[in-house]
Amino acid sequence: DIQMTQSPSSLSAFVGDRVTITCRASQGIRNYLAWYQQKPGKVPKLLIFAASTLQSGVPSRFSGSGSGTDFTLTISSLQPEDVATYFCQKYNSVPLSFGGGTKVEI
Amino acid sequence: EVQLVESGGGLTQPGGSLRLSCAASGFNYSNYALNWVRQAPEKGLEWVSAISGSGGGTFYADSVKGRFTISRDNSKNTLYLQMNSLGAEDTAVYYCAKGRSSGSEAALNYWGQGTLVTVSS
Repeated sequence: DIQMTQSPSSLSAFVGDRVTITCRASQGIRNYLAWYQQKPGKVPKLLIFAASTLQSGVPSRFSGSGSGTDFTLTISSLQPEDVATYFCQKYNSVPLSFGGGTKVEI
Repeated sequence: EVQLVESGGGLTQPGGSLRLSCAASGFNYSNYALNWVRQAPEKGLEWVSAISGSGGGTFYADSVKGRFTISRDNSKNTLYLQMNSLGAEDTAVYYCAKGRSSGSEAALNYWGQGTLVTVSS
């Protein structure tokens, strides 16, 4: 099975900072990569699918890039409401594995 | 509006069984594959199982294969997860989730609120 590895596992940044989270697949998954945001005590929310397509209603400060095995989620200007854990997920085939998560703090 | 409402969680002893349900509304139910995803306390997300829209295709994570059975009743718009031989490692919030597209391989754009399963003696 394909393994998904995220880094870093946690980070702390200032409001307004540019934040980058990476996700690596152990084998190529083309662009079948999604990013989710989970705020404390809340349900996961889809941010990005197809590696770089923003889900409807998601602020434009979020962006995704990559293809194959290496992917990136970028928050261009970190806001207080972005405090959350972010997960990547591959969905090219089952199992739909998740990365371990990146906790973003301010 | 898409809604997914899980039920059936609770406390059970090691070796016990539970059946989770997920009542769905707001979309053409039989056209979409559905998933179960779980999250152990203070841990990450783990995909558990998926079922095709017709119910003819079922898929499982290795960690639950042979113990869990996913099914659906398209006449009742309800998804199920029968969980047997439960162990402490199965303690988690279980989410029902729907994909963006009809196939089993899709990003998950709708999630239920989750139901907590606790396995403890």
